[in-house]
Amino acid sequence: DGGITQSPKYLFRKEGQNVTLSCEQNLNHDAMYWYRQDPGQGLRLIYYSQIVNDFQKGDIAEGYSVSREKKESFPLTVTSAQKNPTAFYLCASSPAVFSSYNEQFFGPGTRLTVL
Amino acid sequence: ELKVEQNPLFLSMQEGKNYTIYCNYSTTSDRLYWYRQDPGKSLESLFVLLSNGAVKQEGRLMASLDTKARLSTLHITAAVHDLSATYFCAVSILSGGYNKLIFGAGTRLAVHP
Repeated sequence: DGGITQSPKYLFRKEGQNVTLSCEQNLNHDAMYWYRQDPGQGLRLIYYSQIVNDFQKGDIAEGYSVSREKKESFPLTVTSAQKNPTAFYLCASSPAVFSSYNEQFFGPGTRLTVL
Repeated sequence: ELKVEQNPLFLSMQEGKNYTIYCNYSTTSDRLYWYRQDPGKSLESLFVLLSNGAVKQEGRLMASLDTKARLSTLHITAAVHDLSATYFCAVSILSGGYNKLIFGAGTRLAVHP
């Protein structure tokens, strides 16, 4: 089955720790995205990647980092510089960022909690 | 700055009733998406509206797009409990050379007997 997987489903972080969230897709999509969702709010874009070895900052990139070494994978690291990281993180992919038909498909999400 | 506003933000409906959720946006776009999110779950794509006047229907939900008014509606007909969820609209705009999705804050729908 084609789809997007995220792991872990739940993640707990201590103050000052870096943690990495995994996102994998087997849809053969070129573009991948990371969003953050806070309770009762919509999604905000953290980073996006159009192709392998290339990525761009979204609206709230401070305190986060990403890599795109493989087409299928787009891991997100939440660094200690992110002061309020507790949130629900969603990974998405789409056929191509520059496509006029840019429907995005979402993974199941990772809920990160700072202890 | 593009703003996407949904209203109402919370909607409590009785089963069998009809209602409409509105999605207004502040800049030109001819592509709009509706998603559904169940509590603690991911987003599920409901409708993709690609042109002015587009109307799509799936079961008890019907979505429309008026690009001139910068307005999309999601109409619920004869609501049932299974429709209880949060509904998001997202507008596609060209930003920095790529197509970016801007999401509304979501409308939390609760359908009760």
